[in-house]
Amino acid sequence: NAGVTQTPKFQVLKTGQSMTLQCAQDMNHNSMYWYRQDPGMGLRLIYYSASEGTTDKGEVPNGYNVSRLNKREFSLRLESAAPSQTSVYFCASSENRGNEQFFGPGTRLTVL
Amino acid sequence: QQQVKQSPQSLIVQKGGISIINCAYENTAFDYFPWYQQFPGKGPALLIAIRPDVSEKKEGRFTISFNKSAKQFSLHIMDSQPGDSATYFCAARYYLRNNNDMRFGAGTRLTVKP
Repeated sequence: NAGVTQTPKFQVLKTGQSMTLQCAQDMNHNSMYWYRQDPGMGLRLIYYSASEGTTDKGEVPNGYNVSRLNKREFSLRLESAAPSQTSVYFCASSENRGNEQFFGPGTRLTVL
Repeated sequence: QQQVKQSPQSLIVQKGGISIINCAYENTAFDYFPWYQQFPGKGPALLIAIRPDVSEKKEGRFTISFNKSAKQFSLHIMDSQPGDSATYFCAARYYLRNNNDMRFGAGTRLTVKP
């Protein structure tokens, strides 16, 4: 069991470029999440998906889009990257009414 | 603004000492309070969690104390070890449209000196 995997591990973008962060889980979880982690801010929820085909906004969704491709995969897209989106991005998954969220190893994104 | 306030921001403890991290919340709809541990370069991992109908939960050297009336909870690490050096996040969860909507504190960087 790989758990939650994320690609890429590191990425540098220029302002205005676009990219997609990929996330996959092999735990048969229904719910998946995207967070960003910034110093002094903890983790903040960007988007979540309760099940395949559904997505909802979290605390900080502006500038991002998501796709729940199937039960395993949940991608995060930056259409036009801005320096304010420099952060570490974590994907997580959980059972629908389960208590524990399982996190991936993160993607460190720098926008110049 | 942060729905879960965590302190201190950083903590240095000698090996064998007690580490204490505190969190406070406002939203009484929260029904589950986990603590996550994060090592550098890794994702957070669940350490221990408590529900508001319990005042204390202990797992090995880690204890959560929960004060529902004060809307505060804390993590105590007894006999702190250098291997406990990590960043700790408290969190609070409420159900929103069948999801775990988790709000995290800002984190505490713990350093345990040998």
